[in-house]
Amino acid sequence: DAKTTQPNSMESNEEEPVHLPCNHSTISGTDYIHWYRQLPSQGPEYVIHGLTSNVNNRMASLAIAEDRKSSTLILHRATLRDAAVYYCILRREGGGSNYKLTFGKGTLLTVNP
Amino acid sequence: NAGVTQTPKFRILKIGQSMTLQCAQDMNHNYMYWYRQDPGMGLKLIYYSVGAGITDKGEVPNGYNVSRSTTEDFPLRLELAAPSQTSVYFCASRNGQNYQPQHFGDGTRLSIL
Repeated sequence: DAKTTQPNSMESNEEEPVHLPCNHSTISGTDYIHWYRQLPSQGPEYVIHGLTSNVNNRMASLAIAEDRKSSTLILHRATLRDAAVYYCILRREGGGSNYKLTFGKGTLLTVNP
Repeated sequence: NAGVTQTPKFRILKIGQSMTLQCAQDMNHNYMYWYRQDPGMGLKLIYYSVGAGITDKGEVPNGYNVSRSTTEDFPLRLELAAPSQTSVYFCASRNGQNYQPQHFGDGTRLSIL
């Protein structure tokens, strides 16, 4: 599985935008970029995913570099509830995939009031 | 919405005891997964199943067994508990279509003394 590299921790202020980077220089053409987050004492929850184009949903935006070797998860206005560990994960989709997720250590986001 | 339900939430075992961690989902998902999470680390895949009667090993299967007799249930068994199995265990499920996220339970916190 292709690896991802994320900063160990980041800090933000409430109601400010947050940009969480992820490097994946060995990504293959069939790998989708998935983001999950894990709130304290909870299981991970899905945030967003994409392949090549930038993606938006109600939780966040995903900006993908043109060469796909990096991506950025964007939280437009951080709230205290967004304090969590954010995981950037590559996953192959399509025939033969068992859709496993390989978690790294992720980025611990701290949101200051 | 029940989603993925894990029981028990907490358990303390003595070395050498056995127990079964229960996982049930009510979303008619084919795929189910068991992960463990050690302190400060990401999740590691123990076992997974792509449907009733079909299971396969993940990254760290030693010391565990699984069965999948129904679509809804995917129990994880520890036969001879060891201190190294002290961890938080998460169960997840997803449907069989591409691009769909995994849905996680709230976890079982297991201590072996």
